[in-house]
Amino acid sequence: DSGVTQTPKHLITATGQRVTLRCSPRSGDLSVYWYQQSLDQGLQFLIQYYNGEERAKGNILERFSAQQFPDLHSELNLSSLELGDSALYFCASARTSYNEQFFGPGTRLTVL
Amino acid sequence: TQLLEQSPQFLSIQEGENLTVYCNSSSVFSSLQWYRQEPGEGPVLLVTVVTGGEVKKLKRLTFQFGDARKDSSLHITAAQPGDTGLYLCAGKDPLSENTPLVFGKGTRLSVIA
Repeated sequence: DSGVTQTPKHLITATGQRVTLRCSPRSGDLSVYWYQQSLDQGLQFLIQYYNGEERAKGNILERFSAQQFPDLHSELNLSSLELGDSALYFCASARTSYNEQFFGPGTRLTVL
Repeated sequence: TQLLEQSPQFLSIQEGENLTVYCNSSSVFSSLQWYRQEPGEGPVLLVTVVTGGEVKKLKRLTFQFGDARKDSSLHITAAQPGDTGLYLCAGKDPLSENTPLVFGKGTRLSVIA
């Protein structure tokens, strides 16, 4: 158990819909990262937050957004969902931007 | 853009065999991490190597960081079915502490009993 929690574990929805994925980092970790993993693309970095502020942005679509709240939990919002958005979404946390990352168990999103 | 190439992409071996997987780049990294991911779960950190030429051992797993800090290898001795999983390497940009880790696409290992 990494200490990072993610909900829900599984999510099935339809194209065009909007979903919210939630992540709670390990106690004391200020940095939260979001990743998307699909079979053909591997683990793709989406976005990083540090102590409530956006720190780095990767290959995140405009239809996706995220935020980190004062209690340090983070949410990833995916809207206007397409079939291609079906993937595993992982959250990872770290003490700071340059410490080792610990991954949550992931949310499997299926868009039908 | 920094890239990490992992090889082989897939590896299927018999229990008891030895194996080595590789993580290569043309870029220098300040540190490199290895993760193992099992189906349906998140990657689990195995080790971090920081110094060029560094060797770290974790039971039957031996990790080495290249002298130039551009590549790394993972050697498993006497593989067991429990070693089955996706092995990912990830590198840290030495020029910016705020740059996220760069991940390779992984080596998918299957150890058959």
